[in-house]
Amino acid sequence: GDSVTQMEGPVTLSEEAFLTINCTYTATGYPSLFWYVQYPGEGLQLLLKATKADDKGSNKGFEATYRKETTSFHLEKGSVQVSDSAVYFCALIGSSNQFYFGTGTSLTVIP
Amino acid sequence: SAVISQKPSRDICQRGTSLTIQCQVDSQVTMMFWYRQQPGQSLTLIATANQGSEATYESGFVIDKFPISRPNLTFSTLTVSNMSPEDSSIYLCSVPGQGANGYTFGSGTRLTVV
Repeated sequence: GDSVTQMEGPVTLSEEAFLTINCTYTATGYPSLFWYVQYPGEGLQLLLKATKADDKGSNKGFEATYRKETTSFHLEKGSVQVSDSAVYFCALIGSSNQFYFGTGTSLTVIP
Repeated sequence: SAVISQKPSRDICQRGTSLTIQCQVDSQVTMMFWYRQQPGQSLTLIATANQGSEATYESGFVIDKFPISRPNLTFSTLTVSNMSPEDSSIYLCSVPGQGANGYTFGSGTRLTVV
């Protein structure tokens, strides 16, 4: 069945460091891929998405590219800020139209 | 995309009692979903609530423990019944977005059972 495998955390970075959170997926057909962010004490928010191969989703300085050849959707940001501290979830919607989430990666950015 | 108002945002409840969580959507939606997020874990789908029919529960979740109401296309409730400390989690409702726009989530209910 469909699934998402996400890099385990927690991740701790200094401000302005480069961030990569790995995400790979298993799905039949052509799923849509998402990154959600959960700030402390808040619900999930859609960060970015990509719906077909080679699409690049971007928002708030974060980017992720839909790589069908490697079944990956890694999240990157060139220079993280303290305000980026949150839990990040990779997710997909597959042919069943059901949402599958990764286990989440906690990011802490220290000044 | 839809806007969801979920309440309460948090509660501390006694063992053996029940809590009802409400979600109000600002537009009509056919399907609403209820998720549980246990401490340090990802989201687990509890059930899908369709208006006018009984909710469909995922494996491991039963109606007696998590009764759901869906009286109209903009509103749903989830009740956590006969609570135990193991029910301490964040509970979230969600609705599908347009096309491949992902899902919109409520702000969550952080439940602590003591």
